Amino acid sequence: DAKTTQPPSMDCAEGRAANLPCNHSTISGNEYVYWYRQIHSQGPQYIIHGLKNNETNEMASLIITEDRKSSTLILPHATLRDTAVYYCIGPGGGGNKLTFGTGTQLKVEL
Amino acid sequence: NAGVTQTPKFRVLKTGQSMTLLCAQDMNHEYMYWYRQDPGMGLRLIHYSVGEGTTAKGEVPDGYNVSRLKKQNFLLGLESAAPSQTSVYFCASSSLLRSRQGEAFFGQGTRLTVV
Repeated sequence: DAKTTQPPSMDCAEGRAANLPCNHSTISGNEYVYWYRQIHSQGPQYIIHGLKNNETNEMASLIITEDRKSSTLILPHATLRDTAVYYCIGPGGGGNKLTFGTGTQLKVEL
Repeated sequence: NAGVTQTPKFRVLKTGQSMTLLCAQDMNHEYMYWYRQDPGMGLRLIHYSVGEGTTAKGEVPDGYNVSRLKKQNFLLGLESAAPSQTSVYFCASSSLLRSRQGEAFFGQGTRLTVV
């Protein structure tokens, strides 16, 4: 089972940065951390992943702590369309056997 | 390039009926997955495949069978549908490369109701 802990819900004002935390304290040295989001019953969408270093792409940034026990997904300028459930996948849940938890419901408001 | 395509998109079955859900991907991915998602819940892995001709059980495999006869297709079968199998079913695929295995592409889902 994926052993990640995420807050069940978060709110963010439109235009502000949304910082979504994830604890994955049992992650091993060669396991990646993956982030997905699911917008209202659509299929989940891959966002970003990382191993040790911080990562950035056109969608988001991923900050991984030095001890790799936690990470933060950053949406730099959240919009209403970013309202979704965000899933962090970590120890034992990555690779070829993706295991999703219950995620964080992010609500972006005006 | 369609990505991952699921058919059908909607289906209503009577208890005891059988059906097959089809997933097709055009990205030449080795790995394919079937998930179910119940209202207000996260995704649960039913079965997955790491290559043509191979399948493996996931978290909730009971009541389902799968086949991967062709690399691009992954079929999910319900032999005798039960109301507890009412759910949204998602198919996904991902690359063989270790650094990309968790970067999965999902279909838009099949909404199945068993009455």
